Amino acid sequence: EAQVTQNPRYLITVTGKKLTVTCSQNMNHEYMSWYRQDPGLGLRQIYYSMNVEATDKGDVPEGYKVSRKEKRNFPLILESPSPNQTSLYFCASSPDRGIFNEQFFGPGTRLTVL
Amino acid sequence: SQQGEEDPQALSIQEGENATMNCSYKTSINNLQWYRQNSGRGLVHLILIRSNEREKHSGRLRVTLDTSKKSSSLLITASRAADTASYFCATASYNTDKLIFGTGTRLQVFP
Repeated sequence: EAQVTQNPRYLITVTGKKLTVTCSQNMNHEYMSWYRQDPGLGLRQIYYSMNVEATDKGDVPEGYKVSRKEKRNFPLILESPSPNQTSLYFCASSPDRGIFNEQFFGPGTRLTVL
Repeated sequence: SQQGEEDPQALSIQEGENATMNCSYKTSINNLQWYRQNSGRGLVHLILIRSNEREKHSGRLRVTLDTSKKSSSLLITASRAADTASYFCATASYNTDKLIFGTGTRLQVFP
């Protein structure tokens, strides 16, 4: 089944404890991205990747890191999480030409930073 | 930076009625996409309409695009309780690799 998977789905952590949210897609898509969703603010893009070893900042990259060493994986890293990073996170992927095609979203990761 | 702004923010209707949601944006676009999100879940793509298209249909969905007014509308005909969800528009511009989402319209369809 073609899909985007994220792990974990739910995570409660404490300020400053490094964490990684994994994202994997099995559709051989070039374009991958991370979004965060907060009430009243819609989805805001954190980082995106046009292809392997090519990543770029979205609208809200502060406090996040990403890597794209393989085509299928695009992990989101929070080196020192803070409470303002409490949010619902989505990974998405898309065939070549990225935003000019439909995006396939993962199920989301709900993160709480205490 | 928010590009798409949906209107209304919330909409409540009875089953069988039509639901119309609007999206306005600020800059020139390559395409505009509509997504549905059931509570707390991932977004599901509904329709993509390109800047040179004026109208697209998919089942009970009809999307229009007016580039002169920088606006789009999503019409859901004969609504069902299962259509209850939040609906988002997203715009893709020529000079960026980012998809910009609006804040969404929350649709409630009562049986």
